[in-house]
Amino acid sequence: QKEVEQNSGPLSVPEGAIASLNCTYSDRGSQSFFWYRQYSGKSPELIMSIYSNGDKEDGRFTAQLNKASQYVSLLIRDSQPSDSATYLCAVNVGGRRALTFGSGTRLQVQP
Amino acid sequence: DTGVSQNPRHKITKRGQNVTFRCDPISEHNRLYWYRQTLGQGPEFLTYFQNEAQLEKSRLLSDRFSAERPKGSFSTLEIQRTEQGDSAMYLCASSLAALAATYEQYFGPGTRLTVT
Repeated sequence: QKEVEQNSGPLSVPEGAIASLNCTYSDRGSQSFFWYRQYSGKSPELIMSIYSNGDKEDGRFTAQLNKASQYVSLLIRDSQPSDSATYLCAVNVGGRRALTFGSGTRLQVQP
Repeated sequence: DTGVSQNPRHKITKRGQNVTFRCDPISEHNRLYWYRQTLGQGPEFLTYFQNEAQLEKSRLLSDRFSAERPKGSFSTLEIQRTEQGDSAMYLCASSLAALAATYEQYFGPGTRLTVT
């Protein structure tokens, strides 16, 4: 079992819809969770961090964390074609300083 | 621009040659990380520094790889006797260790290495 798992996609949504991206992790001791956006050929860009159970909203983005079920999700409201990218889930597994990344979910927003 | 910078952005080398990459972190950040990313995969951790001390190295980091961070500022990653399997994007990230213990890491643009 991989430490951080994501569906590779592609996830295709129409413009204006809500995109829902999911991530599961294996280590119950993990405390810090992050979502990065990566455009093709570019480096990852941090878009959300979440440390406590529940929801955290920032503009069109909402991160959701459920430590009991060991999953973290990212919702993107009013999806735009410019949101088309790969979304990487990253976790400080076991409290380590290094991030462990999933393989990413490719999101396509259709105009 | 006060973000993480990396040089060079692209490097093409022949198998067996040595290469060195440089990373300049965000100025007030005391932690610096190196990752490697291949196509279709998420970044994989290589090593990290807090100030000038190298505190963790991944098992991925073979003895052909060495990293330094003299004076706790910029860092270099050297790969000796490159192999075709070393072809990847090498990413540097930095973060600030603070009382809040947040671990937000910010990435540089990366160095794309191609070994022919």
